[in-house]
Amino acid sequence: DTAVSQTPKYLVTQMGNDKSIKCEQNLGHDTMYWYKQDSKKFLKIMFSYNNKELIINETVPNRFSPKSPDKAHLNLHINSLELGDSAVYFCASSLSRGIQTQYFGPGTRLLVL
Amino acid sequence: SQQGEEDPQALSIQEGENATMNCSYKTSINNLQWYRQNSGRGLVHLILIRSNEREKHSGRLRVTLDTSKKSSSLLITASRAADTASYFCATLQGGSEKLVFGKGTKLTVNP
Repeated sequence: DTAVSQTPKYLVTQMGNDKSIKCEQNLGHDTMYWYKQDSKKFLKIMFSYNNKELIINETVPNRFSPKSPDKAHLNLHINSLELGDSAVYFCASSLSRGIQTQYFGPGTRLLVL
Repeated sequence: SQQGEEDPQALSIQEGENATMNCSYKTSINNLQWYRQNSGRGLVHLILIRSNEREKHSGRLRVTLDTSKKSSSLLITASRAADTASYFCATLQGGSEKLVFGKGTKLTVNP
């Protein structure tokens, strides 16, 4: 069984479009994260939710909006996509906000044309 | 801001050899973690070492932490082709809930 899953795995879209990436974890964890990995493999946190509450909100454009309908799901919606949004987006989860061992999903490869 | 810096950026060795990767960081930390990322995959947690620990082992992995030098090393002994991956250190800064990742070391183990 997949612990942290993301859909879609690949996303190719035009500039200006709006797209969503979904993440689900079946580990019973309280805390979930979104990371962005750029072309140089640099991984940076974007958001974190704990029990549906936003606890980390890094300096990202407000075109990016996370949504956590329940603690097992954390989705990422991106409005007005730009070329610079092309990257791999990873979802992760941890047992709680105080436990930092994180479990990562397989990633969503976003290419904006 | 970026915290960890791995060294070297790339490392190529033969199967059976040991691989050592280093990580330096800038501020005080609660713990330091190492993750592995196989090509096209997500990150996998390898080992966590707390700021009051100096050395930790897990199978063929050995991690050291020197808080006075703000550095850590990951040693993989008797490497295998399957160890080919990128290795990242990540630090949890004091008072923060954010894991900050370095840029990674790309390890290639040649059969």
